[in-house]
Amino acid sequence: KNEVEQSPQNLTAQEGEFITINCSYSVGISALHWLQQHPGGGIVSLFMLSSGKKKHGRLIATINIQEKHSSLHITASHPRDSAVYICAVSGSRLTFGEGTQLTVNP
Amino acid sequence: NAGVTQTPKFQVLKTGQSMTLQCAQDMNHEYMSWYRQDPGMGLRLIHYSVGAGITDQGEVPNGYNVSRSTTEDFPLRLLSAAPSQTSVYFCASSYFPTPNTEAFFGQGTRLTVV
Repeated sequence: KNEVEQSPQNLTAQEGEFITINCSYSVGISALHWLQQHPGGGIVSLFMLSSGKKKHGRLIATINIQEKHSSLHITASHPRDSAVYICAVSGSRLTFGEGTQLTVNP
Repeated sequence: NAGVTQTPKFQVLKTGQSMTLQCAQDMNHEYMSWYRQDPGMGLRLIHYSVGAGITDQGEVPNGYNVSRSTTEDFPLRLLSAAPSQTSVYFCASSYFPTPNTEAFFGQGTRLTVV
């Protein structure tokens, strides 16, 4: 079993829909990161959080330390949100989930 | 401010050839690392460095060498390329030793070994 599990692996949505991507982890962490990877492009950090909730534009990230679970929400999704979203946890090093491929259709 | 710069973006090698993937950052970050990304797997750590002159192995170091002669540069060397090293490679940097810091990634290098 991977130390970081993401679900779903693939997600297709219609423009405007509310999207949730989940991340569960099994190790002790000091922080959790959400990253975005566009096709053919690099990886960009969206959030780093160790408790509670953070919001940036249409993106919201939450974490429940007791349950070892985090969610990334996208409100009013848009085709430009289509990307791979990666959850990573900071322990002694960064450990990454496999990623969630999101496709938002117009 | 360029951030993390990786070159080349694409490379095709023949089995047995050697090459160096370049990585440079201009943020004065102490911590730099190399990852490989393969289908169906999360990014895996190859090598990392906590400062100039200090490097260490990650999860999958075999077949790769690194050095860190300056704070800015952290090249990754493939000594004798093998098809199993076909992958997308990412360099990343962050402040150290604080673990709760944002990681900055390069644009990636797509390497194919034939």
